[in-house]
Amino acid sequence: ELKVEQNPLFLSMQEGKNYTIYCNYSTTSDRLYWYRQDPGKSLESLFVLLSNGAVKQEGRLMASLDTKARLSTLHITAAVHDLSATYFCAVGYMDSNYQLIWGAGTKLIIKP
Amino acid sequence: ETGVTQTPRHLVMGMTNKKSLKCEQHLGHNAMYWYKQSAKKPLELMFVYNFKEQTENNSVPSRFSPECPNSSHLFLHLHTLQPEDSALYLCASSPGGGLSSYEQYFGPGTRLTVT
Repeated sequence: ELKVEQNPLFLSMQEGKNYTIYCNYSTTSDRLYWYRQDPGKSLESLFVLLSNGAVKQEGRLMASLDTKARLSTLHITAAVHDLSATYFCAVGYMDSNYQLIWGAGTKLIIKP
Repeated sequence: ETGVTQTPRHLVMGMTNKKSLKCEQHLGHNAMYWYKQSAKKPLELMFVYNFKEQTENNSVPSRFSPECPNSSHLFLHLHTLQPEDSALYLCASSPGGGLSSYEQYFGPGTRLTVT
């Protein structure tokens, strides 16, 4: 069974600090996705990582992928309050159809 | 706005009611999805439609009945639901087709409460 585990599930941090969210998955996959969800809002796609060693950055967020370790990280640099949200990783998986298998999400609260 | 709309945004229904959730995508995509999002649990994929054909049904109880009349519209018909069905129901779409086309775009969701 394919499992996707995010760590931590809840994170409270101060503005200006750095932190990393981890996403481990249990089988091979061709791509990994990071999404953001604000309370009461839709899921917004942040990054799609396609290959081993892939690194993508957008503002204060940087995502990386290590397919050998089956690990992706989402690094937050000098956090600001606007980054408070729940972050999900999802792993692409081909069964009878292509599916996304989701982590439980990391709720991030950034305090001024 | 992601180009995927859902109505209603909030729904309260009794266990004997029948209601429907609607999803519409304006992105020209060919695949559409229903997910259930419950508190502190991963997103649960319920149904997948590719080019209007249902290709996935993840052991969803029959009290949930999907309908996809065309590539732009997706419905979820609800009847005789249980309180544990209360959740946020999310619709998503993706381009479909080749391997580069699996990024999913989500609607805002319908918050369903079953009383």
